[in-house]
Amino acid sequence: AQSVAQPEDQVNVAEGNPLTVKCTYSVSGNPYLFWYVQYPNRGLQFLLKYITGDNLVKGSYGFEAEFNKSQTSFHLKKPSALVSDSALYFCAVRDYNAGNNRKLIWGLGTSLAVNP
Amino acid sequence: EAQVTQNPRYLITVTGKKLTVTCSQNMNHEYMSWYRQDPGLGLRQIYYSMNVEVTDKGDVPEGYKVSRKEKRNFPLILESPSPNQTSLYFCASSLGAGQDTQYFGPGTRLTVL
Repeated sequence: AQSVAQPEDQVNVAEGNPLTVKCTYSVSGNPYLFWYVQYPNRGLQFLLKYITGDNLVKGSYGFEAEFNKSQTSFHLKKPSALVSDSALYFCAVRDYNAGNNRKLIWGLGTSLAVNP
Repeated sequence: EAQVTQNPRYLITVTGKKLTVTCSQNMNHEYMSWYRQDPGLGLRQIYYSMNVEVTDKGDVPEGYKVSRKEKRNFPLILESPSPNQTSLYFCASSLGAGQDTQYFGPGTRLTVL
């Protein structure tokens, strides 16, 4: 079965330190992977995606993610965290069993808290 | 500004009283979708639409209806809301192929008493 796992419900990091939010996946084909962020009382915002090509993907707000095929992972990273990065982060992968439906399979989210 | 809008943002209603949550996008996107977000369950797709007059069920369609009479609008209809439909609802749209980015509305927090 296709799935996405975000093994940490919450990640705490001090401002200025590097951050990593983990994501692993299981799909039946080539993975199309996404990261979204949800700020309080807001909708989800697209951060970055991996379709093909360079394994290191750069996205919005200084975030990047590394695609690792052998480990089936797509961890989100940022070299220096900001307090304003505190939010809920979702990893998602395209559902290959959905046919023409552009449905994504979503992780349950990781709450990132950046402490001043 | 390119955006997806939803109305209302907050709604408290009672069991059985029909309601509609509107969704509109101004990006000429073909694909639109409704999700509900619940603690511990993440995002689950309710219905989706590939284009005008083309709609289909997602993972949790029971108790919901949708329509797509115009490309920009994709309303979610609850004919007879029940307390288990209390949730946070998001509308999303994307341009075309399966890898396209989905753009989300701000969400509608629905409480059914």
